[in-house]
Amino acid sequence: KQEVTQIPAALSVPEGENLVLNCSFTDSAIYNLQWFRQDPGKGLTSLLLIQSSQREQTSGRLNASLDKSSGRSTLYIAASQPGDSATYLCAARRDGGSQGNLIFGKGTKLSVKP
Amino acid sequence: NAGVTQTPKFQVLKTGQSMTLQCAQDMNHNSMYWYRQDPGMGLRLIYYSASEGTTDKGEVPNGYNVSRLNKREFSLRLESAAPSQTSVYFCASSPREYLFFGSGTQLSVL
Repeated sequence: KQEVTQIPAALSVPEGENLVLNCSFTDSAIYNLQWFRQDPGKGLTSLLLIQSSQREQTSGRLNASLDKSSGRSTLYIAASQPGDSATYLCAARRDGGSQGNLIFGKGTKLSVKP
Repeated sequence: NAGVTQTPKFQVLKTGQSMTLQCAQDMNHNSMYWYRQDPGMGLRLIYYSASEGTTDKGEVPNGYNVSRLNKREFSLRLESAAPSQTSVYFCASSPREYLFFGSGTQLSVL
């Protein structure tokens, strides 16, 4: 059974710092891996999606990498800003069918201090 | 640009009461999902519907029923609410790869 772990559960950094959020998964046979952002009291917003055949994806100051062999994905945030404060979740999908097989991590709560 | 709309946003029930959570999407997505989010447990799938007319159980379906009324609407029903169903409920839809979430329903069962 796929398990997705995110460490640390919470992270506090000063504004401007580059940071890395970690996501590990136990079953390397994944179809893709997604990173989401969740603001307090809100739903999740998809940030980046990496297909199993890809190594990384970039969007603005965000870069997500995927290493299936080691069961790890990282989300790199460059030049962090207070507006980046949120909970970041990763989710691994097992196959190309319905996303009913999407397994979420519990998230890393990021706080960027001005 | 409504996206995924959930109603109500907040609800308090007494044990044993029933209610239906409503979800509608205007993006013409085939697939729709119901998740619950609990502290320390993360997001867990309750039920999903890969297309209009089909529904399937997720990880935690006990105590819930769903109806895919049409392509737009996917409702979640609690027939006899229990305190263990106190949670934040999220509806989501997907064309294939990406998930689009509603803003959630905070449900408390006393």
